[in-house]
Amino acid sequence: SAVISQKPSRDICQRGTSLTIQCQVDSQVTMMFWYRQQPGQSLTLIATANQGSEATYESGFVIDKFPISRPNLTFSTLTVSNMSPEDSSIYLCSVAQTSGRGEQYFGPGTRLTVT
Amino acid sequence: LAKTTQPISMDSYEGQEVNITCSHNNIATNDYITWYQQFPSQGPRFIIQGYKTKVTNEVASLFIPADRKSSTLSLPRVSLSDTAVYYCLVGGALYNFNKFYFGSGTKLNVKP
Repeated sequence: SAVISQKPSRDICQRGTSLTIQCQVDSQVTMMFWYRQQPGQSLTLIATANQGSEATYESGFVIDKFPISRPNLTFSTLTVSNMSPEDSSIYLCSVAQTSGRGEQYFGPGTRLTVT
Repeated sequence: LAKTTQPISMDSYEGQEVNITCSHNNIATNDYITWYQQFPSQGPRFIIQGYKTKVTNEVASLFIPADRKSSTLSLPRVSLSDTAVYYCLVGGALYNFNKFYFGSGTKLNVKP
């Protein structure tokens, strides 16, 4: 397993601003994922981030709104741009190895509130 | 893309065995079945994974029939601390990594 940390753990932001969420892993991993989870709801995959290539976004999510960086095998960032109250949610990163069977390990999440 | 169906919620009492069944009728030949547990305000936690038959670890057992169109997570002698949401996912083929999509999950409520 891997230990994943996220920063910040929570934030309150004003509409129209941007927030960058960091995801740090204690070991090198091939696959990193970003999810969004509304309170009481399931997780929705935003994008897959592989080192050395552009992130792959799911339907309904675009790079201009959620730019992602993956500079190395232990770190990734997700930016929520030009925020609106509808972006209020919990954002989670997870990691997996292509050499594994797909089991994912999740960070603790970032709780974002947009006012 | 394999879609999963689970009961929305289940109730149990401390000390009972709980079985949560997940349907995945269009599972692919090289897909694995993985279960996660999520507590409020935390990220999901990997519980168990299997491909066929039965898998057991220190936390749970996973039963998969021969046709693999369903799976059952078994939690022995649950306690109040097992109250959580449990998600079933399929995918993650070796060397051909598939994306995972979380279904609605099953909210397990363990009562004293």
